[in-house]
Amino acid sequence: GNSVTQMEGPVTLSEEAFLTINCTYTATGYPSLFWYVQYPGEGLQLLLKATKADDKGSNKGFEATYRKETTSFHLEKGSVQVSDSAVYFCALRVNAGNNRKLIWGLGTSLAVNP
Amino acid sequence: EAEVAQSPRYKITEKSQAVAFWCDPISGHATLYWYRQILGQGPELLVQFQDESVVDDSQLPKDRFSAERLKGVDSTLKIQPAELGDSAMYLCASSLISGTGVQETQYFGPGTRLLVL
Repeated sequence: GNSVTQMEGPVTLSEEAFLTINCTYTATGYPSLFWYVQYPGEGLQLLLKATKADDKGSNKGFEATYRKETTSFHLEKGSVQVSDSAVYFCALRVNAGNNRKLIWGLGTSLAVNP
Repeated sequence: EAEVAQSPRYKITEKSQAVAFWCDPISGHATLYWYRQILGQGPELLVQFQDESVVDDSQLPKDRFSAERLKGVDSTLKIQPAELGDSAMYLCASSLISGTGVQETQYFGPGTRLLVL
């Protein structure tokens, strides 16, 4: 079946450190891949997405590249800030049929210390 | 930038009471979703509408939960009676339908945090 696996948190970093949050997936066909971010007490915000292999999604200094050969979509940022402290969710959407549910990872909590 | 609106943002109620949450999707988004998110977990889809019709409510506890989208625009999710285990964040999302009839990227509202005492 379709599934998303994220690295377990919490991840704690110092400001300006390099961030990687791993995400791997299992899916039939060619899914679209997403990273959503959830700041404390708020709803989910789309951070970036990629719809086909080798696509790179980017936003707010975050990047993720759709790697079909390794079935991965790892989230990276070169220099994190305290304001990046949040929970990050990787998700996939299988592009088959009309009802395309999002399949979610469990989320990875990031805490950035000044 | 258009956003999904939800109200209230916070709700405290006692068990056995009725609660209702409201969602107004982004204008023109035919598909509307209600999710439940328990603290520390990912979202769980409760119900999905396309226009006014329910597309998927397989995970909705129908003995106490109900959802409607009468005019195919805004939507209400109701819980009656509320139980302690219903304490969670309730998220609404919406998406466009593409020219080929499939749902596009989902955009989320700020959520309603429910606490049942």
